[in-house]
This record gives sequence, structure tokens and C-alpha cells, in this order.
Amino acid sequence: NAGVMQNPRHLVRRRGQEARLRCSPMKGHSHVYWYRQLPEEGLKFMVYLQKENIIDESGMPKERFSAEFPKEGPSILRIQQVVRGDSAAYFCASSPLAASTDTQYFGPGTRLTVL
Amino acid sequence: AQSVAQPEDQVNVAEGNPLTVKCTYSVSGNPYLFWYVQYPNRGLQFLLKYITGDNLVKGSYGFEAEFNKSQTSFHLKKPSALVSDSALYFCAVRDIGNTPLVFGKGTRLSVIA
Repeated sequence: NAGVMQNPRHLVRRRGQEARLRCSPMKGHSHVYWYRQLPEEGLKFMVYLQKENIIDESGMPKERFSAEFPKEGPSILRIQQVVRGDSAAYFCASSPLAASTDTQYFGPGTRLTVL
Repeated sequence: AQSVAQPEDQVNVAEGNPLTVKCTYSVSGNPYLFWYVQYPNRGLQFLLKYITGDNLVKGSYGFEAEFNKSQTSFHLKKPSALVSDSALYFCAVRDIGNTPLVFGKGTRLSVIA
């Protein structure tokens, strides 16, 4: 059973470009979460999605960031007009259920570097 | 809102000695508590969780954690540390109502041979 998959693993963008990060949840999981990790810090929640729905985006910056989880295909985190402060590791997690007791399983992350 | 504190940025322990990584939490209701481990340039791996029941929770790789409601703590422990346990450890808490998982800043464990 494959785990959570993320691609690309490393992404380099120049300021002003767009970054698209992809996440395929574990088989049978329909709940996806995105987190951002700055150097030497813990993970910060960004957004929680189910298929075709954004459930909680309380951690998403108001501008330039968006996320989707279409009926078919992976979840996408999109960052428009990237700035140097967007450089971070972005992790996706998935769970089979929506319960607070459910374990979230993490992917290997995408390390975004903005030049 | 819920929060987690990991008071130690770094913990050093000799191989074969017991280890403890500390975590305290704050939630409005009953907490759901998790420990994850992160190896360099890798994602987080789930170790164990406390939901309800026995205060001592056993997890992967010989790790265990003890839930202490009066002290609002959930310290991670292992009786005998291995060099391969060296990694970054994160404590996380979740409140009821499907609120976001909140992580501590992490504790770097270094096990010295």
C-alpha cells in the first residue's frame, strides 16, 4: 500500500513565478491536509480538503495561495507570484476519516526554494 | 485555541540510556495527542497517539508516552536509546470538532554512541 505521495520533491522558482505542488493521498483516504514548515520550526496547518470541497482554510494566507482536491487526480497547492518568504517545506497528509482521533499520514514533502 | 509546548530544543542522551522528550499542551476540551518523528529531508512518521483509556500508550520502535491530565503533559519515552533514534520529534494536539492538528516546534534528539 503506497503512502502519501508528493511531487516534485524539490522545486526552484524565481520571484513572481507560480509554484504548483501535488499530493496523492494514501489509497482509501479522502481527506487531505496541507502544512508548511519553515526552517527550525514546527508544521503550521494551512488547509483541509475533501474531494471537491475545501473544509477549513483558516491557515491559508489570504492572497496568492489556493488549494484544490478535484474529483479525479491529486490535490494541488498553488502559490502565485512567489516571494522569497514562501521558501519552505510543504507537507501533505491524508486520513481515511474526518474524525479528530484519526491519524494523519504524511508525505515526504516538497521543498520550495524561491530565488 | 489549542497549543503545544516542547520546552527543549535539543536533548542529548547516551546510547543505551533511557530518553524522555517533553511535551505539554493546552486545549479547551479533551485532548487528542500525537507524536511524530522526522528524519532529515523526510516527511513525518507517526509514532503513537492518545485518544482515551490507559494513560500509557505504546507505539512504534519501542517508544511510549504517558498522558498526565493534571500536568497537561504527554512526554515521549524509551527505555534504551539507539543511535538510530536521532531525529526531530514533534508533539501535536487536536481538540474535538475536527479542529486542525497543532504542532510543537520540535525537539532534536541526539543519541551518542
